Amino acid sequence: NAGVTQTPKFQVLKTGQSMTLQCAQDMNHNSMYWYRQDPGMGLRLIYYSASEGTTDKGEVPNGYNVSRLNKREFSLRLESAAPSQTSVYFCASSDGQGYGYTFGSGTRLTVV
Amino acid sequence: AQSVTQLDSQVPVFEEAPVELRCNYSSSVSVYLFWYVQYPNQGLQLLLKYLSGSTLVESINGFEAEFNKSQTSFHLRKPSVHISDTAEYFCAVSEFGSARQLTFGSGTQLTVLP
Repeated sequence: NAGVTQTPKFQVLKTGQSMTLQCAQDMNHNSMYWYRQDPGMGLRLIYYSASEGTTDKGEVPNGYNVSRLNKREFSLRLESAAPSQTSVYFCASSDGQGYGYTFGSGTRLTVV
Repeated sequence: AQSVTQLDSQVPVFEEAPVELRCNYSSSVSVYLFWYVQYPNQGLQLLLKYLSGSTLVESINGFEAEFNKSQTSFHLRKPSVHISDTAEYFCAVSEFGSARQLTFGSGTQLTVLP
């Protein structure tokens, strides 16, 4: 089925470890996004990529980096994980025309 | 910059009763408006959207929302809820010309009681 695929689905890290969250979409969308979801705070934009070759900071970029590898793939990297980065991370894509996003199923990350 | 306020964090309601989930937004330009639903341990799914035209929009499962520009609101309603409607609902706004970034509200947990 067409959509957005995120890996892994679950991850536990120790403070200071690094990891990369992977995201791929097969809808030929131009724009891709990374959000984090925390209780009572909704979804907050970490980084986005309006088109292949471009990335921009969102509302909460500190502690994260991203790479738009090609049109399909947009990865999120935590260089030195902190307990404050414990969250559920969602990747999304859109055609950039204002018709809403398609979300992946999420990555539940715990930093101990 | 745009912002979204969902006025109720939790809404319990009995099965077959009507429900309204409130959403207000703030923006200095024209907007697109969305409602997303999230079932437990799943991602967000688009429920309905307002882009232009008729201010009343409907979903396939009986929800509707009305765009009210003067009150800057986009409340979600359903005349008769089912147990299966239990989920978290997010209102979101996207400004024209903003690279179509969505700003989300904090969410409303709808719990339908038997």
